[in-house]
Amino acid sequence: KAGVTQTPRYLIKTRGQQVTLSCSPISGHRSVSWYQQTPGQGLQFLFEYFSETQRNKGNFPGRFSGRQFSNSRSEMNVSTLELGDSALYLCASSLESYNSPLHFGNGTRLTVT
Amino acid sequence: AQSVAQPEDQVNVAEGNPLTVKCTYSVSGNPYLFWYVQYPNRGLQFLLKYITGDNLVKGSYGFEAEFNKSQTSFHLKKPSALVSDSALYFCAVRSPGGATNKLIFGTGTLLAVQP
Repeated sequence: KAGVTQTPRYLIKTRGQQVTLSCSPISGHRSVSWYQQTPGQGLQFLFEYFSETQRNKGNFPGRFSGRQFSNSRSEMNVSTLELGDSALYLCASSLESYNSPLHFGNGTRLTVT
Repeated sequence: AQSVAQPEDQVNVAEGNPLTVKCTYSVSGNPYLFWYVQYPNRGLQFLLKYITGDNLVKGSYGFEAEFNKSQTSFHLKKPSALVSDSALYFCAVRSPGGATNKLIFGTGTLLAVQP
């Protein structure tokens, strides 16, 4: 079974631009979550989607948004990029069961210059 | 509010020796606890979980973890460390109940196994 796939693996953007990251979950997983990982802040929860609905959101500004499609694939968008948005963005999927672990993709490394 | 603490930024151990990576948690109610490992330039890999039942949980790659409710701890252990175990380890907690899979992660512990 294929794992969680994130594209692209690496991105370099300029301040003020916007970016879209993509995530394909494991087949059969309807829950998709996004996390931001930085050396200073560690792993921070961005948002979680289930059946195309956002059901949880972390403490990030409105520049960070996401969506989920009917096939469970998800995208996140960051507008008006800032230098501090440079990070590894991780997507995770899981079954809808209280004891199911999250399965992570290898992430998208975003560098903002 | 839920939280997870990993008190050690780095743990050094010689190959063949036992290893322990510490984790303590704070959560109202019964916790769901997880350990993940991250290798360079990779995502997080699930190692093991505690939901309920036996306090000693066995996971992937020979790792195990001991849940201690009175000490609110969930330490990761391995009887004999390998150089290939060198990586970043994260403890995480999920609140029971509610329709969410959100995890709260600790700050991570870098495990260095010397040959």
